[in-house]
Amino acid sequence: EVQLVQSGAEVKKPGESLRISCKASGYTFTNYWISWVRQMPGKGLEWMGRIDPSDSYTNYSPSFRGHVSISVDKSFTTAYLQWSSLEASDTAIYFCARQFCLSPNCRPSWSDPWGQGTLVTVSS
Amino acid sequence: DIQMTQSPSSLSASVGDRVTISCRASQSLTNFLNWYQEKPGKAPKILIYAASSLQSGVPSRFSGSGSGTDFTLTINSLQPEDFATYYCQQTYSIPYTFGQGTKLEIK
Repeated sequence: EVQLVQSGAEVKKPGESLRISCKASGYTFTNYWISWVRQMPGKGLEWMGRIDPSDSYTNYSPSFRGHVSISVDKSFTTAYLQWSSLEASDTAIYFCARQFCLSPNCRPSWSDPWGQGTLVTVSS
Repeated sequence: DIQMTQSPSSLSASVGDRVTISCRASQSLTNFLNWYQEKPGKAPKILIYAASSLQSGVPSRFSGSGSGTDFTLTINSLQPEDFATYYCQQTYSIPYTFGQGTKLEIK
């Protein structure tokens, strides 16, 4: 079974650093990009960026570039989302998702499956 | 960035109804448009990919259509488990963007 299992909820203070994880299993990890998506309380879905696990190449949404960092550890088939200095506005649920596709150039692609989400609360 | 506009933002319907949700892109996507369903406390789930392809395991009452800039998600004969929030998403160009969501509520 293809699964993405995310790390547990976090409570942090403004200015602190954080790394959350997304462990993939049931497929060849390096064959598909991983995306990260934010959902602020009571709001919609926002695409943050993606990473190619085969070479760690990343793309970021301009809204998130410079504030978060996406990485992978192939040996652990795990993707990460990291902040060096959290802000209260980072309070949200964060989802990882595999960018699945059927064509050799992986276009079009779609997010499937999704991790269960990680709630990050940033409060003083 | 490609802007995605869904309509309506919310919708009330009854079990057995047929509903349609629209999604308009600010530029052509060819068919790089996906639809997701999200229920409270759960991760989103893919329903339709590449505008009109039904994801395996998704009931056939769900269908997608459209190309270019205008797309539609149709749900025939609404079931109680269909009351949820629906999102469209383009994967034509980076950054991938979502519509603002359509909340489908029971009338």
